[in-house]
Amino acid sequence: EIVLTQSPGTLSLSPGERATLSCRASQSVGRNYLAWYQQKPGQAPRLLIDDASRRATGIPDRFSGSGSGTDFTLTISGLEPEDFAVYYCQQCASSPLTFGGGTKVEIK
Amino acid sequence: EVHLVESGGGLVQPGGSLRLSCAASGFSFSSFWMNWVRQAPGKGLEWVANIKQDGSEKNYVDSVKDRFTISRHSAENSLYLQMNSLRAEDTAVYYCGGGPGWSIDWWGQGTPVTVSS
Repeated sequence: EIVLTQSPGTLSLSPGERATLSCRASQSVGRNYLAWYQQKPGQAPRLLIDDASRRATGIPDRFSGSGSGTDFTLTISGLEPEDFAVYYCQQCASSPLTFGGGTKVEIK
Repeated sequence: EVHLVESGGGLVQPGGSLRLSCAASGFSFSSFWMNWVRQAPGKGLEWVANIKQDGSEKNYVDSVKDRFTISRHSAENSLYLQMNSLRAEDTAVYYCGGGPGWSIDWWGQGTPVTVSS
């Protein structure tokens, strides 16, 4: 099973600041089979990024993904009020599919 | 517009059974992988199971193997999760979701399952 470790657990930032979220895999996820999701309280998750760097339909370009192999990053270039949420990475390379523990981006 | 609606959740005693359903519309259901993902109260996301477009491949997280069964009925655009021998640790909101690959492009709003005596 591929274990995903997200850091930091919580990120305290102000609107307009840049957020950098990390996701590290215990083994390579192959050809960048990594996705990022956003979840707000009381809502279902929403796909932001798949294939490590491809924005899903309708996702603003302030969200970007990068990385390969075992180290991946989600960057939010300038936080908007609606971006304060929990973010999860997920590996899609092998079963069982696994999620990271999440990073909460909160208002400072 | 893609629409996924889960149903069938509720309160069940330990050792009991539940069958979750997910009704899909607005996309070509038979063309996509479908998944169940759960979230225990105050916790993160846990993938539970997925099923290939034609039902020929099914995968499960170890903790539910031999207890849960995922299935789909393409003619009805429906996904199911039969849950047997339920335990307290199965208490969660259960989401159905799907996409062309193993990432989950579309999600339902979830159905809560509580396992308690």
